[in-house]
Amino acid sequence: DAKTTQPPSMDCAEGRAANLPCNHSTISGNEYVYWYRQIHSQGPQYIIHGLKNNETNEMASLIITEDRKSSTLILPHATLRDTAVYYCIVRDALLGGATNKLIFGTGTLLAVQP
Amino acid sequence: DAGVTQSPTHLIKTRGQQVTLRCSPKSGHDTVSWYQQALGQGPQFIFQYYEEEERQRGNFPDRFSGHQFPNYSSELNVNALLLGDSALYLCASSFIGQGSYGYTFGSGTRLTVV
Repeated sequence: DAKTTQPPSMDCAEGRAANLPCNHSTISGNEYVYWYRQIHSQGPQYIIHGLKNNETNEMASLIITEDRKSSTLILPHATLRDTAVYYCIVRDALLGGATNKLIFGTGTLLAVQP
Repeated sequence: DAGVTQSPTHLIKTRGQQVTLRCSPKSGHDTVSWYQQALGQGPQFIFQYYEEEERQRGNFPDRFSGHQFPNYSSELNVNALLLGDSALYLCASSFIGQGSYGYTFGSGTRLTVV
């Protein structure tokens, strides 16, 4: 079973920041938080990941609470092309990349409105 | 740089038949994972191959089998197809040496069993 809880859907106005929450209250010390998104009829796309510090890349920012029990993915200026299902996943990284399967929940459908 | 390539893109099979799906990983990747995604659900892990061996398996029956070739490409075979096997089948590749870095997914094969 997925170790994360996300709202099933959210709306965001184009050009505004989209803040997608995720709860992972049972996360362990060696588990990373990953975010992927899936645009309709495509495979999931990696967005960002983090362990305990906030992270930023060209796509998004990831804010992880100090107790690591929740996180927020921030898309700073949402566009219509950001409409997708966003998945928050926790994953043990100590076992090595080849054995760390991704356990997906049902994600959050983000609808960016014009 | 080609990403993950899956073939065919769409497939229709009759109940009881067998099907083979193919995946070519991203250049430089050596690990291939397969996922099944039913309509409206998140992807579910089937199994993962590294060094031509199945390294990890999800909760799928033995009707689901796979293979990895020396060039790292992979096949997913499903025998005795059921109507419930209708889904999007996703292939994801990664490089074991990258540890916690994200997977790269293909666009999937849409299998319809009638």
